[in-house]
Amino acid sequence: DSGVTQTPKHLITATGQRVTLRCSPRSGDLSVYWYQQSLDQGLQFLIQYYNGEERAKGNILERFSAQQFPDLHSELNLSSLELGDSALYFCASSVEAGGGHNEQFFGPGTRLTVL
Amino acid sequence: SQQGEEDPQALSIQEGENATMNCSYKTSINNLQWYRQNSGRGLVHLILIRSNEREKHSGRLRVTLDTSKKSSSLLITASRAADTASYFCATDKNYGQNFVFGPGTRLSVLP
Repeated sequence: DSGVTQTPKHLITATGQRVTLRCSPRSGDLSVYWYQQSLDQGLQFLIQYYNGEERAKGNILERFSAQQFPDLHSELNLSSLELGDSALYFCASSVEAGGGHNEQFFGPGTRLTVL
Repeated sequence: SQQGEEDPQALSIQEGENATMNCSYKTSINNLQWYRQNSGRGLVHLILIRSNEREKHSGRLRVTLDTSKKSSSLLITASRAADTASYFCATDKNYGQNFVFGPGTRLSVLP
């Protein structure tokens, strides 16, 4: 158990809908990262937050947004869902923003299926 | 394109044998990490090697880093069936920003 929790574990929804994925980082970790993993794209970095502020942006679509709250949990919002958004979405956390011991601890993931 | 690329894409060995996976990357890095993922599960950190290190050990794992060749290798010695998983290298270009994973090597260890 990494100490990172993600809810829900599974999500099935329809095209055009909006969903929110939730992540609680390990106790003490200030950084939260979101990743999308699909068969054709592999593991893609989406976005990183550090202590409530956006730190780095990867291949995140404009239809997607995220935020980190004062209690450090994070939410990833996916809107106008398309079939191609079906994937595993992972959250990870680390102590620092980067550098040094920036080992990332991954949650179990949320499997999103868009029908 | 991917910053890190693992090679081979898939590897199948017998229990007890050693498994070697390679990772190549394109730009300079601060550190390189290896992760393991069991099917459909979250990734688990294995080892981090900094750009000024050449070799690192952790149990049955040995990682090397050659910054002149922009490559790293992960050696798993005396493999076990439980080592069956996908292995990813990840590079950290800007102190945690733009953390990029390669496509992974799928390792199968046959009993």
